[in-house]
Amino acid sequence: EADIYQTPRYLVIGTGKKITLECSQTMGHDKMYWYQQDPGMELHLIHYSYGVNSTEKGDLSSESTVSRIRTEHFPLTLESARPSHTSQYLCASSELSEQFFGPGTRLTVL
Amino acid sequence: QQQVKQSPQSLIVQKGGISIINCAYENTAFDYFPWYQQFPGKGPALLIAIRPDVSEKKEGRFTISFNKSAKQFSLHIMDSQPGDSATYFCAASMGSNYQLIWGAGTKLIIKP
Repeated sequence: EADIYQTPRYLVIGTGKKITLECSQTMGHDKMYWYQQDPGMELHLIHYSYGVNSTEKGDLSSESTVSRIRTEHFPLTLESARPSHTSQYLCASSELSEQFFGPGTRLTVL
Repeated sequence: QQQVKQSPQSLIVQKGGISIINCAYENTAFDYFPWYQQFPGKGPALLIAIRPDVSEKKEGRFTISFNKSAKQFSLHIMDSQPGDSATYFCAASMGSNYQLIWGAGTKLIIKP
């Protein structure tokens, strides 16, 4: 079983708040990814990293930011949450071809 | 040219039947084609994958058929079971960075 963790699993927050979604993996993978997914729908890549101090924006425009200071940790931050940010956020990591996913964070912005 | 088109959007199959999900791509540089399975409340997990040097790969009840000339690949689930009910995603990537281009997903329901 993949060792990739996301916290919190569920978050309900008011508009304008700053939030950080945590993602950690214990597999030593260099590559990490953040996806946005409405339940059961298409995955949209919002950020990725190929290693420490390397981050890139994905295909989906996002108002979030990420950092990669340690190999195992890839947090995603929203400076000012809005209702349009309501979605599920999935973190994944990979060494080669297979991506291992965390359980996701279900975010609701009121 | 980067898209992967997946069909159908949803599929209902009787228990014991064959489930077939199709994907098509345009970019001939793609060289890795995985299928992921996602249950509600979970992240996707790799089910089976194929490279274009073979036309078919089988793992248990799951088979990928790959047609390089038609730029299509499909997932076949034999003897479908209620536990197979999930959303299935095809994807494609090229080169060593393995950044995946995802299909839109197929919600599969297996009726008992």
